[in-house]
Amino acid sequence: EAGVAQSPRYKIIEKRQSVAFWCNPISGHATLYWYQQILGQGPKLLIQFQNNGVVDDSQLPKDRFSAERLKGVDSTLKIQPAKLEDSAVYLCASSLGGVPYNEQFFGPGTRLTVL
Amino acid sequence: KQEVTQIPAALSVPEGENLVLNCSFTDSAIYNLQWFRQDPGKGLTSLLLIQSSQREQTSGRLNASLDKSSGRSTLYIAASQPGDSATYLCAVAYSGGSNYKLTFGKGTLLTVNP
Repeated sequence: EAGVAQSPRYKIIEKRQSVAFWCNPISGHATLYWYQQILGQGPKLLIQFQNNGVVDDSQLPKDRFSAERLKGVDSTLKIQPAKLEDSAVYLCASSLGGVPYNEQFFGPGTRLTVL
Repeated sequence: KQEVTQIPAALSVPEGENLVLNCSFTDSAIYNLQWFRQDPGKGLTSLLLIQSSQREQTSGRLNASLDKSSGRSTLYIAASQPGDSATYLCAVAYSGGSNYKLTFGKGTLLTVNP
């Protein structure tokens, strides 16, 4: 079974530029998550989708971050404009459903450096 | 607000030693607790998931325990190997309104020396 795919793996941009990350979850997984992991910290949930609807985006900085999950499969996370403090690893995860007993499976992440 | 704390932040042991990683959480009303492994530059790999009704889970040389009443979990690694070197993260699933959330600790960086 293929795992969660993410691209690109690395991205370096200057502040105020825009950037987009892509995630393809495990086939059949209805729930998709985007996490931000700053160096030395645990991952923090940014947004959660159930199929193509947003379940939780309470910690998403909506003035600069946006995310979509068209057709309930792939998802894109965008930052516009980027700030220095956005430097982090962005992790995508998926699970069968958004219920507690469903394990989340993580992708390899995208490491973003903002200069 | 749920908070998860992991102690120690870093641990260095010689190969072959048994070791324990600790995780504590502030709210005992959890659904489950999960231990992850993260290698440098990589994503998270799930090691063990303990449901709130369970006391422990085992997989190979790994054993995780859960004590909801005291808000603690431990990850026991037997006969450590250099390949076990990684960051170990503890995450707690709890009710966050209309859905459940995972709250992560900051992790324990484990180094197993040959």
